[in-house]
Amino acid sequence: NAGVTQTPKFQVLKTGQSMTLQCAQDMNHNSMYWYRQDPGMGLRLIYYSASEGTTDKGEVPNGYNVSRLNKREFSLRLESAAPSQTSVYFCASTRGQGATEAFFGQGTRLTVV
Amino acid sequence: DQQVKQNSPSLSVQEGRISILNCDYTNSMFDYFLWYKKYPAEGPTFLISISSIKDKNEDGRFTVFLNKSAKHLSLHIVPSQPGDSAVYFCAASLPSGTYKYIFGTGTRLKVLA
Repeated sequence: NAGVTQTPKFQVLKTGQSMTLQCAQDMNHNSMYWYRQDPGMGLRLIYYSASEGTTDKGEVPNGYNVSRLNKREFSLRLESAAPSQTSVYFCASTRGQGATEAFFGQGTRLTVV
Repeated sequence: DQQVKQNSPSLSVQEGRISILNCDYTNSMFDYFLWYKKYPAEGPTFLISISSIKDKNEDGRFTVFLNKSAKHLSLHIVPSQPGDSAVYFCAASLPSGTYKYIFGTGTRLKVLA
């Protein structure tokens, strides 16, 4: 019953460093998402993947890249981290095929100094 | 411009009383609305949803009401319990095929024992 698993849980980066946030789901869901949560801003969609082999930009994609490695895994990469990317990042998945509830991972708290 | 708005950042309610959390939206194309609950250091968890063709959906202590003409939805929790203390997000989904979920900024509910 793992659901959506994110690694790492915490990370501190220096400005300009790169890193990849990993996400995997074991629910055989078709669609996967990356959100960021900032104080007073709610959750904002960074990128999503409607199905394996496809990715699309969300509301705030600048500074990020994604890879849908297979049906289970969807990674988020910061090529050159900036302090503005300090946030809590959530991965989520849905069955797809219409509006259905999203299942979220426990989050990655990223600090860029 | 925020398409989904939760104008009350926080709400305090006595245990046993009703909690009413509100959400307004601007996009009449939204066809599905969801409420999520989030505890600190955890990912959001799905609570209840409603389709735009309905005006009410009930699940135990939780009821969601949708007023399409006012572009307003509300979540009622009766009776409120201390374990309900969390941040509540409303979210809206565009019609099938877009796979985008738009979240509000959240309301922090505190249920006082």
